Amino acid sequence: DTGVSQNPRHKITKRGQNVTFRCDPISEHNRLYWYRQTLGQGPEFLTYFQNEAQLEKSRLLSDRFSAERPKGSFSTLEIQRTEQGDSAMYLCASSSTGGSSYNEQFFGPGTRLTVL
Amino acid sequence: AQRVTQPEKLLSVFKGAPVELKCNYSYSGSPELFWYVQYSRQRLQLLLRHISRESIKGFTADLNKGETSFHLKKPFAQEEDSAMYYCALSGLGSQGNLIFGKGTKLSVKP
Repeated sequence: DTGVSQNPRHKITKRGQNVTFRCDPISEHNRLYWYRQTLGQGPEFLTYFQNEAQLEKSRLLSDRFSAERPKGSFSTLEIQRTEQGDSAMYLCASSSTGGSSYNEQFFGPGTRLTVL
Repeated sequence: AQRVTQPEKLLSVFKGAPVELKCNYSYSGSPELFWYVQYSRQRLQLLLRHISRESIKGFTADLNKGETSFHLKKPFAQEEDSAMYYCALSGLGSQGNLIFGKGTKLSVKP
């Protein structure tokens, strides 16, 4: 499967715990995005990487959230001291800055987080 | 403010009927508009983008800058078109992060 993959697909945690999600983009894509989607809403942008550099962060990304893309390949999103309001689907997408699919974002299946 | 508005949460039509999913946007610069679709139990995928001017699965969308709209149309709906549809925008030449609408659920009845 050459698409974007995300792990885990589901995560249930207790309030106050830390969680980490992983995203593996399409291998030749240099851009990687994280979005959050809550029930009844469209995806909301969280942060964006070009290669290993984190170039933009949304105001939605509180200090409890941190994202990395250490070698410009996979990315991790960590949420510290989770709150019930963090319950959502976390989506990862990747895109290329060249070729016929320029800037077309390919989405992963998402990680559904439930904070009890 | 940068915003995408999809006024209908749910649109229900019969097979063979025309369908129009509305999308209006607010953006200060030059936007690039997209329609994404999510079929049941599948991931979000691009349906079409305004700069490519393609017709995908019989769907078309025209960017109307005067009315700041990018409505999605299909002359004859099929049952397999039933899905969640999201309109989205990014800035032309920007880094590409997307601003999504809340989505419209299309239900095509037999």
